[in-house]
Amino acid sequence: DIQLTQSPSFLSASVGDRVTITCRASQGTDNYLAWYQQKPGKAPKLLIYAASTLQSGVPSRFSGSGSGTEFTLTISSLQPEDFATYYCQQLNNYPLTFGGGTKVEI
Amino acid sequence: EVQLVESGGGLVQPGGSLRLSCAASGLSLRSYAMNWVRQAPGKGLEWVSTVSGSGGRTYNADSVKGRFTISRDNTKNTVYLQMNSLRAEDTAVYYCVKGRYYMDVWGKGTTVTVSS
Repeated sequence: DIQLTQSPSFLSASVGDRVTITCRASQGTDNYLAWYQQKPGKAPKLLIYAASTLQSGVPSRFSGSGSGTEFTLTISSLQPEDFATYYCQQLNNYPLTFGGGTKVEI
Repeated sequence: EVQLVESGGGLVQPGGSLRLSCAASGLSLRSYAMNWVRQAPGKGLEWVSTVSGSGGRTYNADSVKGRFTISRDNTKNTVYLQMNSLRAEDTAVYYCVKGRYYMDVWGKGTTVTVSS
């Protein structure tokens, strides 16, 4: 199984900050790596797929990068609506796995 | 608008069974792999099961193998999750999700509570 380790698990930030979240995989994912945003009581929302492709309708302040086993989600200028929990997911091999999540708070 | 609507959740005793349904509107599911993902209270996301577009291939997490069965009826544009031998640790919100290499459409979820 591919284990995904997200860091940090908790992040305190301010509006306008640049935020970076890292996801490390225990083995290669062939870049089948996605990022999701989840707000309390809501379903997750796809932000990035294939490691760096921005999902349609997602603001350009979100970006993804990386390859192999290390991936990064960056929010270039944090907005009030971005305070949420973020998850990475590998979709290369079954079982599909998620990272443990990063909660971004003020 | 593309929508996935889950139903069938509820309160069930340990050892009991439930069948979740996921009905799609605004798109035909037959071309897409479909998934169930769950989230226990206060916890992260956990992939549960995937069924291929034709229904010919299924994949399950070890935690539900032998107890849960995913299936689909493309004529009804619906995906199912049959859950047997339920345990307290199966308590979660269950999301129906479209996609194989990324999960781009999520339902709002249905809550399953396993308790005596």
